[in-house]
Amino acid sequence: EPEVTQTPSHQVTQMGQEVILRCVPISNHLYFYWYRQILGQKVEFLVSFYNNEISEKSEIFDDQFSVERPDGSNFTLKIRSTKLEDSAMYFCASKGTGNNQPQHFGDGTRLSIL
Amino acid sequence: GDSVTQMEGPVTLSEEAFLTINCTYTATGYPSLFWYVQYPGEGLQLLLKATKADDKGSNKGFEATYRKETTSFHLEKGSVQVSDSAVYFCALVVSSGNTPLVFGKGTRLSVIA
Repeated sequence: EPEVTQTPSHQVTQMGQEVILRCVPISNHLYFYWYRQILGQKVEFLVSFYNNEISEKSEIFDDQFSVERPDGSNFTLKIRSTKLEDSAMYFCASKGTGNNQPQHFGDGTRLSIL
Repeated sequence: GDSVTQMEGPVTLSEEAFLTINCTYTATGYPSLFWYVQYPGEGLQLLLKATKADDKGSNKGFEATYRKETTSFHLEKGSVQVSDSAVYFCALVVSSGNTPLVFGKGTRLSVIA
C-alpha cells in the first residue's frame, strides 16, 4: 500500500538555525498538510497546501514557517530560525480527491531544538 | 470552533478485556469522523472512519458508530490484545476539499498480559 514518507526521522538543531523537514506524499494525492505534536499534547494543524499554494494555515504557522513543493514529489516544511518551543514531532499528511477521503500520515520527524 | 473531546487516559486493561474509549465532538457543519492510532515510535495510522449518521466504522476488531443525536463516536473492541497498546486519537473534518483534521488529545491504552 502506498505510504507517505518523511525524512529525517529525527533532527537535532541548534536554536536559531534553519531546518527543512521533507515529505514525499502518496503519488496521486493532491492535498498536503503539516501537523505537529508537542510531546504529550494533541496533534495540531499547521498548514494545508493545494494546487501549489497554501489553502489554510493556523496561528502556529507564523512568518518563521514556510512550505514548498519544489518538484513533483517532495513537500517541505522550513522553519527559518528555530526556537526551543519548536521541538515537537512533525507529521506530513496527504489526501486524494473524491468525497470523504481520509488523510494518510507519515511516521513523522522528531525535531529537537537545543 | 470545531472540537473533539476524548476521555482522559491512560487506560490500562488486561488482555481480552472489553475496551471503550469515549469521544464526543462539536462541529459547525456535518463532520466525517475518524479514529487514528499511534503505536509506540510510529506515526498516525487511520484505524476507521464514518462519514454519516449511524454509519459504523470497523477495522481489526475495533468499531465506532457515528451518533449524531449524542454527537459521539466511541471506540470499542470486544477483546483487546497486548499489541493494541497505543495512543488512540479521535478526529473530525468538516466539509471536503482541503479542510484540516481536528484531533482530540489522544488516549493512551496499555494492555497487560
